[in-house]
Amino acid sequence: DVKVTQSSRYLVKRTGEKVFLECVQDMDHENMFWYRQDPGLGLRLIYFSYDVKMKEKGDIPEGYSVSREKKERFSLILESASTNQTSMYLCASSWVDVSNQPQHFGDGTRLSIL
Amino acid sequence: RKEVEQDPGPFNVPEGATVAFNCTYSNSASQSFFWYRQDCRKEPKLLMSVYSSGNEDGRFTAQLNRASQYISLLIRDSKLSDSATYLCVVNIGRDDKIIFGKGTRLHILP
Repeated sequence: DVKVTQSSRYLVKRTGEKVFLECVQDMDHENMFWYRQDPGLGLRLIYFSYDVKMKEKGDIPEGYSVSREKKERFSLILESASTNQTSMYLCASSWVDVSNQPQHFGDGTRLSIL
Repeated sequence: RKEVEQDPGPFNVPEGATVAFNCTYSNSASQSFFWYRQDCRKEPKLLMSVYSSGNEDGRFTAQLNRASQYISLLIRDSKLSDSATYLCVVNIGRDDKIIFGKGTRLHILP
């Protein structure tokens, strides 16, 4: 079974803090993704990576950055957290052929910015 | 037209009934389709892929209608544990971009 592990289930941070969300997958997947999910808006792609040190902007990259130094780990960074970044953050991974391979999700991190 | 569209529901269905819902997509070049299930406050989990010829997995049947550009999910003999939000996922055929629908909420009533 694919295992995608996110570092925290719940996180509370303050406005202006730098926040790191970590994601690790154990299936040697090439692709990794970060989404946020908000009521009424569905899943929105923030960034994705198809290889080590490679990254691509998704639909809503503003205010975020990512890091992929190792194949199994994909980090999402909120450079200066703001209250509108309070959300459920979901990491996913998949095999290299994005279009034909399903994505497997971590448990999610519910982030609150006060 | 939105790239991927689902009826948000909720669908309130008595236990044991059959329920079906659709997901429409706008890009005729889309190639890959999936159904995911998401429980409240949990992550989406792959339910099944959708193949061109249609496919079945136990009580669940997925179908693709290319002419009308929609996929469907049918659940037979519904169980209380089927209560969840069902997300459709479509490859929109451009740069292998995957789009998630916003989901259809299903409540199975005892």
